[in-house]
Amino acid sequence: AQRVTQPEKLLSVFKGAPVELKCNYSYSGSPELFWYVQYSRQRLQLLLRHISRESIKGFTADLNKGETSFHLKKPFAQEEDSAMYYCALSGPGAQKLVFGQGTRLTINP
Amino acid sequence: GAVVSQHPSWVICKSGTSVKIECRSLDFQATTMFWYRQFPKQSLMLMATSNEGSKATYEQGVEKDKFLINHASLTLSTLTVTSAHPEDSSFYICSGAAGAGSYEQYFGPGTRLTVT
Repeated sequence: AQRVTQPEKLLSVFKGAPVELKCNYSYSGSPELFWYVQYSRQRLQLLLRHISRESIKGFTADLNKGETSFHLKKPFAQEEDSAMYYCALSGPGAQKLVFGQGTRLTINP
Repeated sequence: GAVVSQHPSWVICKSGTSVKIECRSLDFQATTMFWYRQFPKQSLMLMATSNEGSKATYEQGVEKDKFLINHASLTLSTLTVTSAHPEDSSFYICSGAAGAGSYEQYFGPGTRLTVT
């Protein structure tokens, strides 16, 4: 079964501290992994995908197939990073997304 | 980025009535549109996938006759909640993807449905 698990519903860190949002997945095969973000009063939007291997707004995420994880990291958190973050997966070449429960990240000044 | 709109943004209806929610892609052609449901403090659950001109594909456990989806054009999909009941109260979100194999979905702002 396809499943995405984000163990932390809430995460609070101070500005300038490192951030790591955890994501584990269950999928028989090679999925595509994504991180979506929803800022306050805004719609859900794509932050990054594992295939791109890029850094967006200072965030990176590495796909670890051995641990079936796709944790989102940022070395120095900023207040504007406060948002709801969702990890999601899809089958290779497929468009249908399976979302995790989401983690609300709060960056304290 | 591409923009998806939803109308209405919120709606209150009486039990037993039907409600239609529109999802429009404003600046791109959405070959595929998705409808999600989100309960308070929970994740988005995919309800159905619709391709323009085809019947929607519903996820397991989603009643096809209750949640009617129409994707008549490349820029418009509608979700009709028929004979709504209080348990249908939820946040409904649509998204659009441009072209087959396009990985990115562009999300609408959502529609809050309250059934009294």
